[in-house]
Amino acid sequence: DSGVTQTPKHLITATGQRVTLRCSPRSGDLSVYWYQQSLDQGLQFLIQYYNGEERAKGNILERFSAQQFPDLHSELNLSSLELGDSALYFCASSDRGSNQPQHFGDGTRLSIL
Amino acid sequence: AQSVTQLDSQVPVFEEAPVELRCNYSSSVSVYLFWYVQYPNQGLQLLLKYLSGSTLVKGINGFEAEFNKSQTSFHLRKPSVHISDTAEYFCAVRPGTNTGKLIFGQGTTLQVKP
Repeated sequence: DSGVTQTPKHLITATGQRVTLRCSPRSGDLSVYWYQQSLDQGLQFLIQYYNGEERAKGNILERFSAQQFPDLHSELNLSSLELGDSALYFCASSDRGSNQPQHFGDGTRLSIL
Repeated sequence: AQSVTQLDSQVPVFEEAPVELRCNYSSSVSVYLFWYVQYPNQGLQLLLKYLSGSTLVKGINGFEAEFNKSQTSFHLRKPSVHISDTAEYFCAVRPGTNTGKLIFGQGTTLQVKP
């Protein structure tokens, strides 16, 4: 158990819809990261938050947004969903310091029908 | 920019045989290096990391990796594999900056046969 909790585990929805993925980091971790894992793109970094503020952005589409709340949990919002958004979305957290390892949740599997 | 290349997409090996999973990286800045393992329907679990110091690092489950700066490689090894090591393995680099993003390779599926 990594200590990182992601909900829901599975999400099935239709094109054009909007969904919210939730992540609770390990106790005490200030950084939260979101990654997308798909068959064609592999594991891609989306975005990082540190103590409520955006720290780094990766290959995140404009239709996607994220935030980190004062209690340090984070949400990833995906809107105007397309078939190609079907993927496994991981959240990870780490302690302060760029040399600290990231601990991953079990992911949310998003299926777009 | 940084990139990671895992040279083998699949590595079949018999139980109790040694294995090496190869990883090369490219970066214009210093990096931290990681190996993660992903079992079916699970998240990624950290196997080991190289931050600095000794170039041979030991991780969990009997795995070790050697950092070779001149060859920009970070190969993962295990002297004797078990059926339970069957999983996907990811090499990742993290630029030594304030941003903590991980850049992953495409993954190597290790298939341990009885």
